[in-house]
Amino acid sequence: SQKIEQNSEALNIQEGKTATLTCNYTNYSPAYLQWYRQDPGRGPVFLLLIRENEKEKRKERLKVTFDTTLKQSLFHITASQPADSATYLCALESDYKLSFGAGTTVTVRA
Amino acid sequence: SAVISQKPSRDICQRGTSLTIQCQVDSQVTMMFWYRQQPGQSLTLIATANQGSEATYESGFVIDKFPISRPNLTFSTLTVSNMSPEDSSIYLCSVVQHYQETQYFGPGTRLLVL
Repeated sequence: SQKIEQNSEALNIQEGKTATLTCNYTNYSPAYLQWYRQDPGRGPVFLLLIRENEKEKRKERLKVTFDTTLKQSLFHITASQPADSATYLCALESDYKLSFGAGTTVTVRA
Repeated sequence: SAVISQKPSRDICQRGTSLTIQCQVDSQVTMMFWYRQQPGQSLTLIATANQGSEATYESGFVIDKFPISRPNLTFSTLTVSNMSPEDSSIYLCSVVQHYQETQYFGPGTRLLVL
């Protein structure tokens, strides 16, 4: 069966450090993978999309890698700030439909 | 990116009743989807809303329980029928714009069934 696993439910880090989140999947062959941020009581906000033929993508302090051999994506938040505190979701695409991981809640301490 | 609004933003309903949720987009979009997010859980796709035809439902979701309409390229509704407390969730619509892969989400409708 298809499965998407995000490394941990919660991640607590000190401001200025790098947060690294993991997304592993099985029995998928996605053309691309997306990362979203979700704040309490709000809908997910799109952050980054990485295609199967791309190894890495960056956007400001965010970096995503995608290894289709390992079936894994890593999501990095560098120089983290308290405003980065949120739940981060990875999502795999199949025919434009998204399947989501359970999410990792990041808390950045000042 | 598309601007998506949902009505109502939240509601409290009695069991056995039905609620219709509206999703409005500020531009024409290729695809529209409805998701559910149960308390403390991630998002689960309910169905793809097809313009001018019946929605395509995912396993575990049926039309009688979640009828969906999409009369045009900017608007869709989801009805949660004969509600029970287990239907208490956040319901979200999402869209994909022409020639893009990114999916954008509405703010969600928070539903509590008593």
